[in-house]
Amino acid sequence: EAQVTQNPRYLITVTGKKLTVTCSQNMNHEYMSWYRQDPGLGLRQIYYSMNVEVTDKGDVPEGYKVSRKEKRNFPLILESPSPNQTSLYFCASSLGQVDRGYEQYFGPGTRLTVT
Amino acid sequence: AQSVTQLGSHVSVSEGALVLLRCNYSSSVPPYLFWYVQYPNQGLQLLLKYTSAATLVKGINGFEAEFKKSETSFHLTKPSAHMSDAAEYFCAVSDILTGGGNKLTFGTGTQLKVEL
Repeated sequence: EAQVTQNPRYLITVTGKKLTVTCSQNMNHEYMSWYRQDPGLGLRQIYYSMNVEVTDKGDVPEGYKVSRKEKRNFPLILESPSPNQTSLYFCASSLGQVDRGYEQYFGPGTRLTVT
Repeated sequence: AQSVTQLGSHVSVSEGALVLLRCNYSSSVPPYLFWYVQYPNQGLQLLLKYTSAATLVKGINGFEAEFKKSETSFHLTKPSAHMSDAAEYFCAVSDILTGGGNKLTFGTGTQLKVEL
C-alpha cells in the first residue's frame, strides 16, 4: 500500500530534550515536506526537500532541522524543543510532476507536546 | 506570494442540505488549487484538484468545486450533506518550486458540522 508513515504518532517531552520525528514514504517520491498545523493558522511549511541531500527552508523553519540521506526518509529534528513547538506535525511527499498537478500525500500526523 | 482565504472557520448544515465552503485565492500565475479533508485524528486526504483543465472539478464523496478566475474563487460544494462529511476542510494553492516539487499554501480551514 502506498503510504507516508510517521513515528511516533504522539509524543510528550520536556523543554530542551532533543527529539526526532521520523517520516518515510514508499512511493519513490522525490519531493518531501514537513508542515505544522496550529488552530486558526492552518498548515504551514517548515522544511522541504526536492531530492536526496537537497533541503530548503519553508515558512517557519526556526527551531527545526531536517536531513535527507535517503530518498524514502525525511526526519524532522528538534534539537532543543520549546513549548511554542507544541503542535500537530505532518509529513508529505509528492512526485512533483506537472501531469499530477503536484498532489501531495500526507502522513497521519504526529502530535507533539512540549512542557 | 500566493495566498488562500477561507471564509467561515465553522459551518453548520443539516443532513441533506447543501454544503458550501468558500475559498478565495491570490496568485500571480495560473494556480493549481486543491481541497483537502481532515477527519478527526487523521491526516489530510485529497478531495479534488484544479490544474487548468475543466473549471468544474469533481472529487470524491460527491464533492465538487468550480474555478472562477473572475472571482478568484474555488468554492467547494456538495448537494446533500451526510453525517460522515463532518470534518475540517482545507483549501490550498500550489507554488511551483524551481527544480520540481511544490509548496502548498493552506487556508486556515473550515470545520464542517452536520446536524440531524
